[in-house]
Amino acid sequence: EVQLVESGGGLVQPGGSLRLSCAASGFTLSKYWMTWVRQAPGKGLEWVASIHDNGDERNYVDSVKGRFTISRDNARNSLYLQMNNMRAEDTAVYFCARGKNVPGPWGQGTLVTVSS
Amino acid sequence: IQMTQSPSSLSASVGDRVTITCQASQDIKKYLNWYQHKPGKAPELLIYDASSLETGVPSRFSGTGSGTDFTFTISSLQPEDIATYYCQQYDNPLTFGPGTKVDIK
Repeated sequence: EVQLVESGGGLVQPGGSLRLSCAASGFTLSKYWMTWVRQAPGKGLEWVASIHDNGDERNYVDSVKGRFTISRDNARNSLYLQMNNMRAEDTAVYFCARGKNVPGPWGQGTLVTVSS
Repeated sequence: IQMTQSPSSLSASVGDRVTITCQASQDIKKYLNWYQHKPGKAPELLIYDASSLETGVPSRFSGTGSGTDFTFTISSLQPEDIATYYCQQYDNPLTFGPGTKVDIK
């Protein structure tokens, strides 16, 4: 069974940093693009970033370019999202998902709150 | 590419046919997926490439359309279908519609 479990969320001050992790199991991570999607409180889903199977290609939504970095460690079956210079509008539940154009399955998400 | 959905919410009775529409701001061919999202849960892929049913998804869910206009249908609404439904295009970059909240009347 495919499982994706996010961790690393929490409360961070504006301008601060946080690193999210996504532990993958039940499939061979190295064969898939992986994606982060977020949902701000009371809002819809927003694609954040995607990374190629071997990490050679990475794509980001404009609002996080230069601040967020998506990475992966296929040997550790893990996906990461390093978030720097965070803003209040980054407050959201962050989901990891398998795939790029057709993300699925997804994890249950981890909550990130940016507030002073 | 901007995605719009209508209605933004709806209430229907168990057994009713429910239809949600999704419109893209430009031609996205059939690069359109549909997701179900329940609060506190992982979003679930239901339909990919506009009309293909994801493995394991009940056949009461279906999708049609191409180009800029798409339709998602639940043929007979069940209590467990209470959720928000999102369309999502992947003609680059990936964007989601604003969602349609479905309730039981």
